Amino acid sequence: DAMVIQNPRYQVTQFGKPVTLSCSQTLNHNVMYWYQQKSSQAPKLLFHYYDKDFNNEADTPDNFQSRRPNTSFCFLDIRSPGLGDAAMYLCATSFISNTEAFFGQGTRLTVV
Amino acid sequence: ILNVEQSPQSLHVQEGDSTNFTCSFPSSNFYALHWYRWETAKSPEALFVMTLNGDEKKKGRISATLNTKEGYSYLYIKGSQPEDSATYLCAWRGDDKIIFGKGTRLHILP
Repeated sequence: DAMVIQNPRYQVTQFGKPVTLSCSQTLNHNVMYWYQQKSSQAPKLLFHYYDKDFNNEADTPDNFQSRRPNTSFCFLDIRSPGLGDAAMYLCATSFISNTEAFFGQGTRLTVV
Repeated sequence: ILNVEQSPQSLHVQEGDSTNFTCSFPSSNFYALHWYRWETAKSPEALFVMTLNGDEKKKGRISATLNTKEGYSYLYIKGSQPEDSATYLCAWRGDDKIIFGKGTRLHILP
């Protein structure tokens, strides 16, 4: 059974129209991560939550926001998607200790 | 800026041959080094989590080594099989942050 679930798997949005991607987990992990991956590039960390503490990467554009209303759910909001935001968005979770991260299957975002 | 480098970016290996590839990472603030295997249309899955300098881990035909002082790790695959075709990602873990390399895309040729 999937333990980290991302919805939707594929999302098409219009240029400039706000979009929300969701991630849920059944592992009770205290850390949740959002990564953006473009073709042939490394998954780029956008931000992560350690419990309720939000940690933004310095180079994450202001256009990207996140919410974590409870342990199980985390959302990625893109306020005004541009063509350059088309990518695979990966959610991952882990404990704060040196254990591995568990990933969802990703959401493929297309901006038209 | 934290940089995790993997080489080569892509690799073609004949079935039955052994292969290896490299990950280099920052030595400072190091907590762990992860290796993940990512097959197309699936989620990345962890292969190894390594924390101590000199660590060696093995899972079947796949093994990995770690040198935290010089900041590198090797992943070895012995006797490659078609099911080994995937992207292999390494990731540096510092405290609560996990930073990935670009991955090595491995193609096994029949």
